[in-house]
Amino acid sequence: SQQGEEDPQALSIQEGENATMNCSYKTSINNLQWYRQNSGRGLVHLILIRSKKREKHSGRLRVTLDTSKKSSSLLITASRAADTASYFCATDAPGTASKLTFGTGTRLQVTL
Amino acid sequence: DGGITQSPKYLFRKEGQNVTLSCEQNLNHDAMYWYRQDPGQGLRLIYYSQIVNDFQKGDIAEGYSVSREKKESFPLTVTSAQKNPTAFYLCASSRGYSGNTIYFGEGSWLTVV
Repeated sequence: SQQGEEDPQALSIQEGENATMNCSYKTSINNLQWYRQNSGRGLVHLILIRSKKREKHSGRLRVTLDTSKKSSSLLITASRAADTASYFCATDAPGTASKLTFGTGTRLQVTL
Repeated sequence: DGGITQSPKYLFRKEGQNVTLSCEQNLNHDAMYWYRQDPGQGLRLIYYSQIVNDFQKGDIAEGYSVSREKKESFPLTVTSAQKNPTAFYLCASSRGYSGNTIYFGEGSWLTVV
């Protein structure tokens, strides 16, 4: 089963615009992470937010977390063509140690 | 360089054959994982191991088997019992506690011919 559902499934924007992706999950969590995947490659970690935090920034990335709504959003500001990739949220729940459950992903296309 | 090495990158399997995908890490991580990804889909957990000589089933373990005889190695066997094995397989590792980052290999494409 997949814990998270990303929305939208696909997003196309122009370079310089902001991209916002949303993730909803089903059960309580310890942490939520966002990963990026270029086509046909492995995933790369972007950012982690702990369940007690509401917002976290890293460079052009901004993550928010609303545990009452079981949702998170990833904002990429001033997007670049190189940001074109799929983005996944991943959660680990209490009692599951290091086991991560991934969402279905958002495919982001940034055009020049 | 430290990292996770998966091999082979591309593998073709005939109906009824077992195949084994290799995964080696030199990050000194305790935990290792196998995920399956179907085209345009998310990742689904097949098996994971938090320590040598121990592993647990994930969400879709049927038709797969693993071993963890060494800390750095976590091979995955796709058996003939797996009826739809064509997919992209990703191996990963982590330090093994909640909230840590998972590091991924570059993946292996398995196609049934």
